[in-house]
Amino acid sequence: EAQVTQNPRYLITVTGKKLTVTCSQNMNHEYMSWYRQDPGLGLRQIYYSMNVEVTDKGDVPEGYKVSRKEKRNFPLILESPSPNQTSLYFCASSLFWTSRYNEQFFGPGTRLTVL
Amino acid sequence: AQTVTQSQPEMSVQEAETVTLSCTYDTSESNYYLFWYKQPPSRQMILVIRQEAYKQQNATENRFSVNFQKAAKSFSLKISDSQLGDTAMYFCASDVGNTPLVFGKGTRLSVIA
Repeated sequence: EAQVTQNPRYLITVTGKKLTVTCSQNMNHEYMSWYRQDPGLGLRQIYYSMNVEVTDKGDVPEGYKVSRKEKRNFPLILESPSPNQTSLYFCASSLFWTSRYNEQFFGPGTRLTVL
Repeated sequence: AQTVTQSQPEMSVQEAETVTLSCTYDTSESNYYLFWYKQPPSRQMILVIRQEAYKQQNATENRFSVNFQKAAKSFSLKISDSQLGDTAMYFCASDVGNTPLVFGKGTRLSVIA
């Protein structure tokens, strides 16, 4: 089954404790991205990657890191999480780097709480 | 920078009735794509419908259709014969090609039995 998977689905952590949210897709998509969703703000893009070893900042990259060593994986790293990073996070992928030819496939979301 | 505005934070509709969700966008590009995504309580993001800007005909997917007014930069979603399963958050989004997908802030739709 074609899908985007994220782990963990739920995470409660404390300020300053490094964490990684994994994202993997099995559709051989070139484009992958991370969004955060906050009430009243919609989805905002954190980072995106147009292909292996190519990443770039989205609208809200502060406090986050990403890497794209393999085409299928695009982990989101929070080196020193803070309470303002409490949010719902989505990973998404699409065949090409824009959505215009293909829809973006979203993962199931990761609910992160930073205490 | 492109923007997407959804002016209705919340809406409700009776089951079997029709409801229209509003979306306006701002771009200087001539060719772009517009999308409506549905996010039910499960939180999964599901593509409902998409519209190519150069196509004059409004897109339709079963009970979902759009009213695309290019000159007015308006892209509303009409849901006919509303069902309880349509209860969700709906996001409008635009893609102008050289920048990532931009989402509106969402409209929470409740379908009432």
